[in-house]
Formats: sequence, C-alpha cells, structure tokens
Amino acid sequence: QVQLQESGPGLVKPSETLPLTCGVSGYSISNGYYWGWIRQPPGKGLEWIGSVYPSGSTYYNPSFKSRATISLDTSKNQFSLRLTSVTAADTAVYYCARLTSAMVDWGQGTLVTVSS
Amino acid sequence: DVVMTQSPLSLPVTLGQPASISCRSSQSLVHSDGNTYLNWFQQRPGQSPRRLIYKVSNRDSGVPDRFSGSGSGTDFTLNISRVEAEDVGLYYCMQGTHWWTFGQGTKVEIK
Repeated sequence: QVQLQESGPGLVKPSETLPLTCGVSGYSISNGYYWGWIRQPPGKGLEWIGSVYPSGSTYYNPSFKSRATISLDTSKNQFSLRLTSVTAADTAVYYCARLTSAMVDWGQGTLVTVSS
Repeated sequence: DVVMTQSPLSLPVTLGQPASISCRSSQSLVHSDGNTYLNWFQQRPGQSPRRLIYKVSNRDSGVPDRFSGSGSGTDFTLNISRVEAEDVGLYYCMQGTHWWTFGQGTKVEIK
C-alpha cells in the first residue's frame, strides 16, 4: 500500500518561495500514476495545484501556473512543489497525493503558514 | 476550467434522517473513454479526505451502504439514507475527467 509523507518548512515569509517534498513508500513513482499537490486553506475547501507524470510532464491549475513548479526525483522516490511569491493567502494545509481520474491517495498533510 | 458547484454548503440533519448533497459541473464529465469521473470524498475533522464513491455510483470497500451516488453528465447527487453521528464532516465532489477540480464542500452536522 502506498504511503505519502510531506515535509518542508511550517513557516514561510511573504514574497519568498514555499518548498515542499513528498516522500513515497510502497510504490515506485517511476511506474505510473500522476503525482500532485492539493491544498486546503484554513476553514476552506480543497484546491488542486498541479500534477506530474513519470515522463516528467507537468499539469497545473491555471490559478497556479505562473507560480508553481512540480518535479520528480526518481532516485529518491519523491516529488516536490515550489510555490513562488507567496502571500498570506497561500497559508494552507498542503497535501501530496497519488492521483488518477477516479482516485486520490493522500498524505497526512502539512500546515504551511505565510507570515513575517 | 471545470467549475464544480455543491449545494447546500451547510446541511444540518437529524440523526436517522436522510441527507442529500448536489454537485453540478460547468461542463459534461463524460470522458472520451466513456467513463464519468465524478467522485465523492468525506473529510472528518483533523483527517485527510477519504474516497466514498468513485465514477458516480461505485461505493468504496468499507463504506456503509447508506451512502449512494447517482447522476450523469453535469448533475450528480450523494445520498445518505439515514445519517449517523459518525457521518459528521465535510463532503466534497471531485471531477477527474478534465484534470481535477473539487466542489466547495458541504458541511454535514447533527441538529
């Protein structure tokens, strides 16, 4: 059974870059599926940020396309998110996930607060 | 983008009574492969979401049969036949036909 675990700073300053990594166990990310990031601001709903396929192709929610970069590190069996120019509105629980059209396997989520 | 619109956003329910959540998409969710990728998730407080229903009406293993999904095209519904205390939480529809989009979420609470 696949397990996903987010890691990264819990606090990021406004205008800086938010870096998150998702470690994957129980499945090789090279073998298939989309790998992506979903976030949930406090008290709000879920928002898909973007996904990467093992080929390296990336797909982004248009709302994030200019700020988000998702990449794979197959040697470490992990993938990453970088979100640039963050503001307080980017404060959220960030989930990494394995996705198909019908399924999402979720990490536990990590809270990232944007504040000076 | 595909916009997913849920209603109601808040749903107070009496224990043992039915509940129904509507989800509408801004465009058809019928995929070129013939499947309709409309899925329902439940999120209990402090937990990651878990899938209840996939491809409109298929219940996940371990999900009580009081949960059912229906619909087609752009109009979908999640029904709970008799609400139990453990059903309190947020419910999201998610489309996977045109990448991924979630509804705003419906908060189910006990009256």
